[in-house]
Amino acid sequence: DTAVSQTPKYLVTQMGNDKSIKCEQNLGHDTMYWYKQDSKKFLKIMFSYNNKELIINETVPNRFSPKSPDKAHLNLHINSLELGDSAVYFCASSQVGRETDTQYFGPGTRLTVL
Amino acid sequence: AQSVTQLDSQVPVFEEAPVELRCNYSSSVSVYLFWYVQYPNQGLQLLLKYLSGSTLVKGINGFEAEFNKSQTSFHLRKPSVHISDTAEYFCAVSDLETGANNLFFGTGTRLTVIP
Repeated sequence: DTAVSQTPKYLVTQMGNDKSIKCEQNLGHDTMYWYKQDSKKFLKIMFSYNNKELIINETVPNRFSPKSPDKAHLNLHINSLELGDSAVYFCASSQVGRETDTQYFGPGTRLTVL
Repeated sequence: AQSVTQLDSQVPVFEEAPVELRCNYSSSVSVYLFWYVQYPNQGLQLLLKYLSGSTLVKGINGFEAEFNKSQTSFHLRKPSVHISDTAEYFCAVSDLETGANNLFFGTGTRLTVIP
């Protein structure tokens, strides 16, 4: 069984469009994250959600909005896409207090904005 | 604030040779340390982690790392590499102060194993 899954795996779209990336985890974790990996492979955290509350937002433009319908899902909505949004986006999850700070990552979504 | 430095962006090594990937961190508080591996076109997989206790940590695929508090380092080693070890390796740190699971990553080291 896949622990952390993301859809779609690849996403190609035009500038100005609005798109969403979905993430689901079946590990029973209470915290989920979104990371952005740029073309130089640098990984930076964008958001984390704990019990449906946003606890990190690292200077991410407000065009990006995480949505958590329940504890097992954290979707990423992006409005008015820009060329600079092209990157690989990774979802992750962890359980505070259990193997503290061990985050499990999804396979990534490669977003290309044309 | 925490930061992680991986001094080597690329490390080529011959098959069956030993390898060390360097990682240094800076933090004003106690930290947890991690190594993740990213195989081509895949997500990140946890190799090993240091939370407390023994400073020598053994992970998957024959890798190990040693936490050195005085040198603020957490170098990754393997005595004999295989072709399948070719991948990007990321060192990461999270602190114990915030209570949130903030992971700060280094810029990665690309390990290329040469046949």
